[in-house]
Formats: sequence, structure tokens, C-alpha cells
Amino acid sequence: AQSVTQLDSQVPVFEEAPVELRCNYSSSVSVYLFWYVQYPNQGLQLLLKYLSGSTLVKGINGFEAEFNKSQTSFHLRKPSVHISDTAEYFCAVSESDTGRRALTFGSGTRLQVQP
Amino acid sequence: DGGITQSPKYLFRKEGQNVTLSCEQNLNHDAMYWYRQDPGQGLRLIYYSQIVNDFQKGDIAEGYSVSREKKESFPLTVTSAQKNPTAFYLCASSTRTGEKGEQYFGPGTRLTVT
Repeated sequence: AQSVTQLDSQVPVFEEAPVELRCNYSSSVSVYLFWYVQYPNQGLQLLLKYLSGSTLVKGINGFEAEFNKSQTSFHLRKPSVHISDTAEYFCAVSESDTGRRALTFGSGTRLQVQP
Repeated sequence: DGGITQSPKYLFRKEGQNVTLSCEQNLNHDAMYWYRQDPGQGLRLIYYSQIVNDFQKGDIAEGYSVSREKKESFPLTVTSAQKNPTAFYLCASSTRTGEKGEQYFGPGTRLTVT
């Protein structure tokens, strides 16, 4: 079984400031890690993913995330946010060692970018 | 354009009625999924199917049913047995063995039951 914890339900930040959205996971098997973004009343869009290799992964819209196996974390960062980044962000995991590809999601973090 | 379509975007039903939500994909993906989204709870897996004519229960399957008669279609029926059916429902698809879990999502259907 696996679980994902997003430590902040809401993160307010001013435009052009840096932001970090935190994600921790728990799993008895190896996992793949994902960050998705959801704009109001829309589906989810993949921001970035960690499958293997370099622990720093870069995604779309200037976001990046770092996989830390010892801390079981996969925090999302952006050095300078825009108003258009206002959305809900979900961290998710899937099992790498089994055939089950269904995702387990965290509860989400609402990023509110203020002018 | 390849993608996933869900219809309708908004759906209203009276309590006690069954309702079927549509999900179609033209990505040639083998696997399809249904998630339910409630405020503050993230997405929870209802059912998934990795191949035609086969599907598995997810974490919250009670009160729901699915079918997978065609590769491109995975309809979800919300039955009257589902105690709290009002939610945002998201359909997704993925390749069965590639991309290691990356899923593509439809735009969602918001179901309101009164």
C-alpha cells in the first residue's frame, strides 16, 4: 500500500516570488512520482515526473522537483511564480515493481498567486 | 487531435436514479481509469481497466459499476446505492506498459444529485 501527503492545503505567494510545494510519500515498493496541475473545473495536466536517473527533474512552465529517497519526498519548486500559476497541484505515485499503473494522489495544494 | 472526452460537463440527477458518465479516448491506450474528486480529498480511484473486457475495483468502488466493451470507451454508472454521488468525476487513460504510470486526463464531469 502507498500513501501521499501534501503538507500544505493552501500556499499564498506574491507574484515573482519563489515557491515550494511539499510532498512526502510512503510505500513498501519502489515508486514513480508525478506532479499534476489542475485549473478550475478542468482535468489534470502533467507537470513533471520522476522515473529514474537524475533526482532533479524539470517540467513544463518552469517548474522543477527533486526526488529525495532518504526523506521520501518529492517537493515541487518554481523560482518565480506568475499569476497564471494559480491552480491546484497534486502529487501522485504509482508502483514501479508491479503492473498496477493506477495513481495514488495526495490531497492537493492550492497555490494562490497574488499581485 | 488525440485526447479524452467526457460528456456532459455538468450533470444533474434526482436521488434514486442511476446515471451513466461517458468517457472516450482516441489515444489508442490500453488502460483506462475513473477517479472521484471531492474538495480537500484529492482524487480517489473508483475502477480501472487494463484491457478490453477486464476491469478491477479501485479504492471506492461501492455504488459504482463500469464496462469495457471497446478499447476507446469506459463508461461509469453511478447507481442509487452510492450514498454521496455528488462529486467531480475524472476519467484517465495510459499505455499499459509504457510511460510507467503517466496518465492523461479528460476534462471531467461534475455530477450533482439532489
